[in-house]
Amino acid sequence: GQNIDQPTEMTATEGAIVQINCTYQTSGFNGLFWYQQHAGEAPTFLSYNVLDGLEEKGRFSSFLSRSKGYSYLLLKELQMKDSASYLCAVRRGRGSYIPTFGRGTSLIVHP
Amino acid sequence: DADVTQTPRNRITKTGKRIMLECSQTKGHDRMYWYRQDPGLGLRLIYYSFDVKDINKGEISDGYSVSRQAQAKFSLSLESAIPNQTALYFCATSGEDSYEQYFGPGTRLTVT
Repeated sequence: GQNIDQPTEMTATEGAIVQINCTYQTSGFNGLFWYQQHAGEAPTFLSYNVLDGLEEKGRFSSFLSRSKGYSYLLLKELQMKDSASYLCAVRRGRGSYIPTFGRGTSLIVHP
Repeated sequence: DADVTQTPRNRITKTGKRIMLECSQTKGHDRMYWYRQDPGLGLRLIYYSFDVKDINKGEISDGYSVSRQAQAKFSLSLESAIPNQTALYFCATSGEDSYEQYFGPGTRLTVT
């Protein structure tokens, strides 16, 4: 099975940097996803990491360490519109390859 | 127009009623999924289909059934709705490698 852990809620200030962590335990690993979900809306894809290291995409970056079962999503220059839930999802290396989602981290950005 | 659509967007029904949620996609993907989302529990997979002739149970399929009417259409049915099926339901699609998933706007279902 899989065990995915991320903080329930975080708060940060507009213009700041925030790091959202995700730890996982899985038998086999084939990639980690981050999705953003605004309240009442559909999740939207942010990033995918399958190799160790940092992937940068504009204000958002995602890091993976497979040996530690650890990832983080880094959001820079926070804007009010970044207030949302951030979902970590892990894909196993066998079977259906469908990712399993963590419970999500609710990020509140205040002025 | 949205690539993945769901109908209805909101539904209130009574315990014991049969209800169907519908999903259509124009992305040309073979793979389609149904999830439910509950506060504090994240997205949980109910059923998935990798092509028209393929249907598979997810982690929480009890009380649900699905039908894949065509490549573009995947319906979720609750045969006899119960209050703990009150949730936000999402349909999603993806390409062959189950990489990035594209989610519909969701259906908010309330069972009273």
